Amino acid sequence: DSGVTQTPKHLITATGQRVTLRCSPRSGDLSVYWYQQSLDQGLQFLIQYYNGEERAKGNILERFSAQQFPDLHSELNLSSLELGDSALYFCASSVGGGGGFTDTQYFGPGTRLTVL
Amino acid sequence: QQQVKQSPQSLIVQKGGISIINCAYENTAFDYFPWYQQFPGKGPALLIAIRPDVSEKKEGRFTISFNKSAKQFSLHIMDSQPGDSATYFCAAGNDYKLSFGAGTTVTVRA
Repeated sequence: DSGVTQTPKHLITATGQRVTLRCSPRSGDLSVYWYQQSLDQGLQFLIQYYNGEERAKGNILERFSAQQFPDLHSELNLSSLELGDSALYFCASSVGGGGGFTDTQYFGPGTRLTVL
Repeated sequence: QQQVKQSPQSLIVQKGGISIINCAYENTAFDYFPWYQQFPGKGPALLIAIRPDVSEKKEGRFTISFNKSAKQFSLHIMDSQPGDSATYFCAAGNDYKLSFGAGTTVTVRA
């Protein structure tokens, strides 16, 4: 168990809808990262927050947004959902904001999103 | 665009054998090369990592070999065990971001 929690575990929704995925980082970790894992694209970095501020952005669509709250939990909002958004969404956390060798990212169990 | 290319896509090895997974990258700014292990239904977990100034790192049965000039690195799993059956991802990182390879599914037959 990595200490990172994600809810819900599974989410089934329809095209055009909006959903919110939630992540609680490990105790003491200030950074939260979001990743999308799909069969055709693999594991793709979406966005990172460090202590409430956006730190880095990856391949995140404009329909997607995220935020990190004062208690350091994070939410990923996905709107105008399309069939292609069906994927596993992982949250990871790390102590610092720099990433890299001394700042291991610990992954949560993921949220499986199915868009019908 | 895959910044890290990983091969093979899958491999089967007998118990006690050696599993070898290869990765290649283009971006010379990468300064952190971790390997993650993922079991079905779980998130990836860090297995071992290496910096580009080191050519080899060993932790137990897992070894990373790193060739900076060729921009390649590989994971060797020695004495493979059925419990090693999982998907392995190489990654390369810089500026807070990790770029992952496509993953290799390793099956260890008893």
